[in-house]
Amino acid sequence: QVQLQESGPGLVKPSETLSLTCAVSGNSISSGYHWGWIRQSPGKGLEWIGSINHSGTTYYNPSIKSRVTISVDTSENQFSLKLSSVSAADTAVYYCVRDASAGFVVSFDYWGQGTLVIVSS
Amino acid sequence: SSDLTQDPAVSVALGQTVRITCQGDSLRNYYASWYQQKPGQAPVLVIYDRDNRPSGIPDRFSGSSSGNTASLTITATQAEDEADYYCSSRDSSGSNGVFGGGTKLTVL
Repeated sequence: QVQLQESGPGLVKPSETLSLTCAVSGNSISSGYHWGWIRQSPGKGLEWIGSINHSGTTYYNPSIKSRVTISVDTSENQFSLKLSSVSAADTAVYYCVRDASAGFVVSFDYWGQGTLVIVSS
Repeated sequence: SSDLTQDPAVSVALGQTVRITCQGDSLRNYYASWYQQKPGQAPVLVIYDRDNRPSGIPDRFSGSSSGNTASLTITATQAEDEADYYCSSRDSSGSNGVFGGGTKLTVL
């Protein structure tokens, strides 16, 4: 059973960097899947942030690409999200996901429970 | 604005069939996936690869696609199917994920 668990500060000050980690169990992070982050602002829809594959190749949402870094730690079987220069608009529930997309198929098949990050001074 | 367009809200009578649609140019090249989200919960994948259901998803959920439109159909809709539904695919570049704005399904 694949499980993902987000962790990180629930409160970040404006202009600082948001940092989250996703611990993966039940599946090696080097298994060939992509791993990604998706967020949801309060009362709003889902927004794809980006993903990383097992070899470290990253793909980022163009709208926030300049502020996003996703990385993998294979020794800890986890991956991380860093979002710099945050503002109130970055307040959201952040989900880590296993991205099973391949070829013509797009699929996020396992999700963490989500963690709420509030940007406020 | 999203590359994928969904109706904001749809309603269906208990036991009836409902179709939720998702439109976007990228759907001509990539298959949509569909996610169900209930209040306070993480989304759950219900359809992928156009019309495949993950283990545990009832067979009353089905998917289809034609041209630039993907559809999620729920037959014999149950009260527990009341939720927000999101489609997802690639953007026009083919490199990035994108979600529709979501459809709130109300079961009457």
